[in-house]
Amino acid sequence: GQSLEQPSEVTAVEGAIVQINCTYQTSGFYGLSWYQQHDGGAPTFLSYNALDGLEETGRFSSFLSRSDSYGYLLLQELQMKDSASYFCAVRASGGSYIPTFGRGTSLIVHP
Amino acid sequence: DAGVIQSPRHEVTEMGQEVTLRCKPISGHDYLFWYRQTMMRGLELLIYFNNNVPIDDSGMPEDRFSAKMPNASFSTLKIQPSEPRDSAVYFCASSRFQGATGNTIYFGEGSWLTVV
Repeated sequence: GQSLEQPSEVTAVEGAIVQINCTYQTSGFYGLSWYQQHDGGAPTFLSYNALDGLEETGRFSSFLSRSDSYGYLLLQELQMKDSASYFCAVRASGGSYIPTFGRGTSLIVHP
Repeated sequence: DAGVIQSPRHEVTEMGQEVTLRCKPISGHDYLFWYRQTMMRGLELLIYFNNNVPIDDSGMPEDRFSAKMPNASFSTLKIQPSEPRDSAVYFCASSRFQGATGNTIYFGEGSWLTVV
């Protein structure tokens, strides 16, 4: 089976930098994705890492270390609109390459 | 493209009634997923289809749940009979297999089901 661990909640202030961690256990790891979900909305894709290292997309970056079975999402210059839930999802051969989602991290951005 | 379209957006029904949720995936996508989201259990994969064929229904909670995909542009998730514990947001999602570059999943806006 597959399992993912991420913090249930993270709080930060506007303008700050926040890191949301995700550790996973799986067989046949293929890639790690991140999704954002605002209250009442649908999850939307943010990023995907198949190789070690940092992927940057504007204010958001995602990092992967396959040897440590670990990744993180880094949000810079936080804005109030970044308040949302963030899910990591792992693709693995053990799961037929279908992403398995973590429980999600609720990010609360304060003014 | 209009994205994944789900209906109804909100449904309130009485225990014991049949509920049918509908989904139109993004054109050209060969995978379709049904997820259920609750506070207690998070985002659970119920079933997924590849080219209209059910591949894995191990997440379907019990026989009261069934899903069909009669063609590439339509799928249904049916609950019969419904129970209060089925109250949740049900998401339909679709994707196109992208191999090593990823498997971005596009979610619909969800069907909010309340069973009283």
